[in-house]
Amino acid sequence: GAGVSQSPSNKVTEKGKDVELRCDPISGHTALYWYRQRLGQGLEFLIYFQGNSAPDKSGLPSDRFSAERTGESVSTLTIQRTQQEDSAVYLCASSSGSGLAGGPAYNEQFFGPGTRLTVL
Amino acid sequence: RKEVEQDPGPFNVPEGATVAFNCTYSNSASQSFFWYRQDCRKEPKLLMSVYSSGNEDGRFTAQLNRASQYISLLIRDSKLSDSATYLCVVKAVGGSYIPTFGRGTSLIVHP
Repeated sequence: GAGVSQSPSNKVTEKGKDVELRCDPISGHTALYWYRQRLGQGLEFLIYFQGNSAPDKSGLPSDRFSAERTGESVSTLTIQRTQQEDSAVYLCASSSGSGLAGGPAYNEQFFGPGTRLTVL
Repeated sequence: RKEVEQDPGPFNVPEGATVAFNCTYSNSASQSFFWYRQDCRKEPKLLMSVYSSGNEDGRFTAQLNRASQYISLLIRDSKLSDSATYLCVVKAVGGSYIPTFGRGTSLIVHP
């Protein structure tokens, strides 16, 4: 079956421009996560969507970052007025639940291939 | 103290060797534990979940020690293809359902 897809795979932009990154989760997955990974670094949590609940935005680094999700489908991460320090791989992951029920397999996150963002 | 800590390595081992990684976590409410593998310039992929009683999948064995708050991953008979970064992931039940990722341990298996 189809996995998590992300587009574009690569994005080069100029400092100050806005960018929009897209994530298509696995069908039926209620939970969706965005992460940022700078070169040689670990995953940095950005935002979490679970069903129709209010998203957890606690990881967003500044008000230039925002994300939307339509129901339990596509999500977009928008970065306004990009800065060079925004250069990173942006990873999206989805899972079938938040951990409210079920065993560990219920919580497995499936990652997309990421969008590599380069801000010049 | 970081929520999830791992030795970044790299662990440099010959083919056929046995290697073990540990990962410590600080939140005693943690309930779900996983090991993910991330190849260079690729996305993380689930290697195995970690069960309370410990579990094995081929050459890979995962253990959980709740008293000392750490999980371990043992790889036997290392292969060149095992070279990757291994990420420890911990999730608490209640409050935030956001998994916490360690920064990963780099493994290099050489001929």
